[in-house]
Amino acid sequence: GNSVTQMEGPVTLSEEAFLTINCTYTATGYPSLFWYVQYPGEGLQLLLKATKADDKGSNKGFEATYRKETTSFHLEKGSVQVSDSAVYFCALSDEEGKSTFGDGTTLTVKP
Amino acid sequence: DAGVIQSPRHEVTEMGQEVTLRCKPISGHDYLFWYRQTMMRGLELLIYFNNNVPIDDSGMPEDRFSAKMPNASFSTLKIQPSEPRDSAVYFCASSLRVAGNTIYFGEGSWLTVV
Repeated sequence: GNSVTQMEGPVTLSEEAFLTINCTYTATGYPSLFWYVQYPGEGLQLLLKATKADDKGSNKGFEATYRKETTSFHLEKGSVQVSDSAVYFCALSDEEGKSTFGDGTTLTVKP
Repeated sequence: DAGVIQSPRHEVTEMGQEVTLRCKPISGHDYLFWYRQTMMRGLELLIYFNNNVPIDDSGMPEDRFSAKMPNASFSTLKIQPSEPRDSAVYFCASSLRVAGNTIYFGEGSWLTVV
């Protein structure tokens, strides 16, 4: 079956530090890949997505590139802010439409 | 659009009581999902509907849990009887179609069973 493995947390960074959260997946065919973010007390919301190989999703300074050869979709941001503190979920949607979420990575950014 | 609307936002109930969680999906979305989130188990898909019909309920933990979608704009998740281990955040979510499309989550119903 499909699976998503993401970097274990928690991750603690200082403001303006570089962020990478690793995500790899297992799926047949050509899934779409997503990063969702969950701020405290809220539901998950889409951060960015990519629907085919070599696509780059970007939003709010975050980026992730769909790498089919390494089955990865790592999340990056060049300079994090305190307001980026949240839980980040990597997810895929396969060709049959079944979604699979990773376990989430908690990011805390300190001033 | 108002987004996915869930109620109640918070509920504290005693063990053995019936709990009903409600959801209004985004208008026009034909898929509806119920998820449960706990620290121990993370985010779990309980059940999802397509055009009001339950498609996959393999994630429903046991017979105490039931979900219905009587029409395109309303769904319920019922726990009867409730137990302390049911304490969690329950999310409802909807999407236009599943494959490749974004899932939109509600803000969650925070359930505590004492």
